[in-house]
Amino acid sequence: GAGVSQSPRYKVAKRGQDVALRCDPISGHVSLFWYQQALGQGPEFLTYFQNEAQLDKSGLPSDRFFAERPEGSVSTLKIQRTQQEDSAVYLCASSLTTQYFGPGTRLLVL
Amino acid sequence: QKEVEQDPGPLSVPEGAIVSLNCTYSNSAFQYFMWYRQYSRKGPELLMYTYSSGNKEDGRFTAQVDKSSKYISLFIRDSQPSDSATYLCAMSPFGSNTGNQFYFGTGTSLTVIP
Repeated sequence: GAGVSQSPRYKVAKRGQDVALRCDPISGHVSLFWYQQALGQGPEFLTYFQNEAQLDKSGLPSDRFFAERPEGSVSTLKIQRTQQEDSAVYLCASSLTTQYFGPGTRLLVL
Repeated sequence: QKEVEQDPGPLSVPEGAIVSLNCTYSNSAFQYFMWYRQYSRKGPELLMYTYSSGNKEDGRFTAQVDKSSKYISLFIRDSQPSDSATYLCAMSPFGSNTGNQFYFGTGTSLTVIP
């Protein structure tokens, strides 16, 4: 079946712009995770959903970061007033017993 | 100190060599251990998934977990140029159906030279 998909694959934003990153999880996976991966680093946890409920958002770096999953399937990660330090790859993973990752969205903030 | 330590390499080996990749960790609560392979500009791809201590083999890949030493390894036999990628270890106290995040190493960059 289809894997996790993410869009856009690449996003260039000017500092101060808002961006929205989309994740389509594997059908039937109730758990969904967002990670941030800086260049040369492993993924760092941002937030977790079980169905539509956001159960853990302890990894979100600031209140400029917001995630939602209103119908328990597609999720959106929104970053407001982007800063250069937000430049990274944003990975989405969905899970039954272990996590399957999407290709990521590569965000570059100029 | 990070919860998971992994030598970033880079590691370069000739085709056919046995590759050993390792991670150490500090949290004794970790029970689930994963190895992911990440090609350039792609998302991590699950290779191996093990629970608690012991060995698990899948084709050319063998994962070992030594909880007493807080040390995990991935061995790749008969390495191929297509194995060239970054290998990430990940671990968690519980399976991710409970919502536990995975803690990742920084990844080891591997190049297999034809």
